[in-house]
Amino acid sequence: EVQLVESGGGLVQPGGSLRLSCAASGFTFSNYAMSWVRQAPGKGLEWVSTISGSSGDTYYADSVKGRFTISRDNSRNTLYLQMNSLRAEDTAVFYCAKEVSSSGYYTYFDFWGQGTLVTVSS
Amino acid sequence: DIQMTQSPSSLSASVGDRVTITCRASQSISSWLAWYQQKPEKAPTSLIFGASALQTGVPSRFSGSGSGTDFTLTISSLQPEDFATYYCQQYSSYPYTFGQGTKLEIK
Repeated sequence: EVQLVESGGGLVQPGGSLRLSCAASGFTFSNYAMSWVRQAPGKGLEWVSTISGSSGDTYYADSVKGRFTISRDNSRNTLYLQMNSLRAEDTAVFYCAKEVSSSGYYTYFDFWGQGTLVTVSS
Repeated sequence: DIQMTQSPSSLSASVGDRVTITCRASQSISSWLAWYQQKPEKAPTSLIFGASALQTGVPSRFSGSGSGTDFTLTISSLQPEDFATYYCQQYSSYPYTFGQGTKLEIK
């Protein structure tokens, strides 16, 4: 059974940093691209970032480019999102999501974690 | 960026009704379209990929169609557990983009 468990969310001041983690199990982690998708309170879904299975390719939404860094440790079956220079508009539930291929091209999200809430406020 | 526009934004229907949700892309995405269901306070779940292929375990009352720029999600006979918010998403090119969502409510 595929399981994705996010952690690391919390309250942070504007300009601060936070690192999210997503522990994966139930599949061969290195064979699949992984993504982060966020949802602001009461709003829709917004794709944030994707990393290929080998970590060779990364992709970012313009809204986070230069501030967020996606990475993965295939030996630990864990996905990360380092978030710097956080803004109030980054407040959201952050979901990690598994894609259906390794490349990150032409793939959709077949499994999602339960999400972790990030609140940016002073 | 490819814009995804869903309609309607909300919909009231009764158990047993047939409902259709539409999704339009601002440019052709071939069949690189997925549909997700999200219940309150829960993570989204995958329903349909490739515009019309049903994800494993999804009931056959759900169906998807379309290609290019116009797509539909149809629920043939609404069940109580289907009342949720539905999102379309294009995965033709980065940045991946979602529709704004359609909230399906009980009439």
